Amino acid sequence: GDSVTQMEGPVTLSEEAFLTINCTYTATGYPSLFWYVQYPGEGLQLLLKATKADDKGSNKGFEATYRKETTSFHLEKGSVQVSDSAVYFCALTLSFGNEKLTFGTGTRLTIIP
Amino acid sequence: KAGVTQTPRYLIKTRGQQVTLSCSPISGHRSVSWYQQTPGQGLQFLFEYFSETQRNKGNFPGRFSGRQFSNSRSEMNVSTLELGDSALYLCASSLVGRGNEQFFGPGTRLTVL
Repeated sequence: GDSVTQMEGPVTLSEEAFLTINCTYTATGYPSLFWYVQYPGEGLQLLLKATKADDKGSNKGFEATYRKETTSFHLEKGSVQVSDSAVYFCALTLSFGNEKLTFGTGTRLTIIP
Repeated sequence: KAGVTQTPRYLIKTRGQQVTLSCSPISGHRSVSWYQQTPGQGLQFLFEYFSETQRNKGNFPGRFSGRQFSNSRSEMNVSTLELGDSALYLCASSLVGRGNEQFFGPGTRLTVL
């Protein structure tokens, strides 16, 4: 079945460091890929998405590129801030008419000033 | 535009009881999905409703059920509660379509004693 494998956390970085959170997927067909973020005590917010191969999603300085050949969707940011501290989830949906999101295990990111 | 609302935000029940959680989607959204979030299992898909019909279902026992009303509001019910049902229950709504964003509510924190 479809699945998402995400880099285990927690990840602790200093402010202004470069961030990479790895995400790979297994799916039949052509999934849409997402990164969601969850701040303490809140629900999930969509950070960025990509719906086809080679698409690059970007938002708030974060980027991820849909790589079909490596079945990956790694999240990157060039210079993290304390406010980026949160839990990040990689996820996929399979097809039109199927809204089910399959999530990775989540990566807790802490940024130290 | 109001976001997804979930009521109640917190709930404490005892084993064997039943519980009903409510979700009001964003206006115009006809798809509503439910997810269970626990530290051990992460985010798991419960079910999705579209136009009052259950369209997808995850791997949960029959004690977990849901429904959707004509105004797209949704409820989920858990009968004969077990300690392991303690979790954050998240509702998400979306417009239907490939790669469409799911908007999450803040969740209902259920504690089973």
